Amino acid sequence: QVHLVESGGGVVQSGRSLRLSCSASGFTFSIYPMHWVRQAPGKGPEWVALISLDGSEKNYADSVRGRFTISRDNSKNTVYLQMSSLRLEDTAVYYCARDSASGYIQYLFDYWGQGTPVTVSS
Amino acid sequence: EIVMTQSPATLSVSPGERATLSCRASQSVSSNLAWYEHKPGQAPRLLIYAASARATDIPAKFSASGSGTEFTLTISSLQSEDFTVYYCQQYNSWPYTFGQGTKLDIK
Repeated sequence: QVHLVESGGGVVQSGRSLRLSCSASGFTFSIYPMHWVRQAPGKGPEWVALISLDGSEKNYADSVRGRFTISRDNSKNTVYLQMSSLRLEDTAVYYCARDSASGYIQYLFDYWGQGTPVTVSS
Repeated sequence: EIVMTQSPATLSVSPGERATLSCRASQSVSSNLAWYEHKPGQAPRLLIYAASARATDIPAKFSASGSGTEFTLTISSLQSEDFTVYYCQQYNSWPYTFGQGTKLDIK
């Protein structure tokens, strides 16, 4: 079955960097776009970033554009989120999620991981 | 940006009864609306897509309807495992936004 496992979260000071990883199994990773979605305490989820199946297309929420970079390694079935210049408001649980549409992008998330928490401290 | 508003924020229903959750979009999202269930500490689960289609392995007790700006998720014969948080999400136009959630409580 589809399995997504995030790692790399933790406590980091404001202004520093952190890299999250999401390891995928149970499906053909290379034919699905992948996303990162986050949820801050007490708030609804917020879509963060998308990467197309081959990495040629990337998209970001305005709140993270220019600071976060999404990438993927299809040989390792892994998607990454490099987060730089972290702010207090980036504190959240970060989830990776699979796009439901293989081969194209729909922004509909059919499988999610359990998330990795990121806390940005001052 | 399309704002998704879910109501009520908390809904108290007795086990065995039916719950009706609402989601309103600030502008039309056509039928590009999904519902997710999120249990604490677990991965969110896709329940409904295209406003009314059940996702893979989702039981018939979950049903949904609506189009444009008004959407409803109905959960029948509530069991203990159904008392958690539900989110709607529009995937019609960027940025793709979620509601703030409805927490389903045991009455």
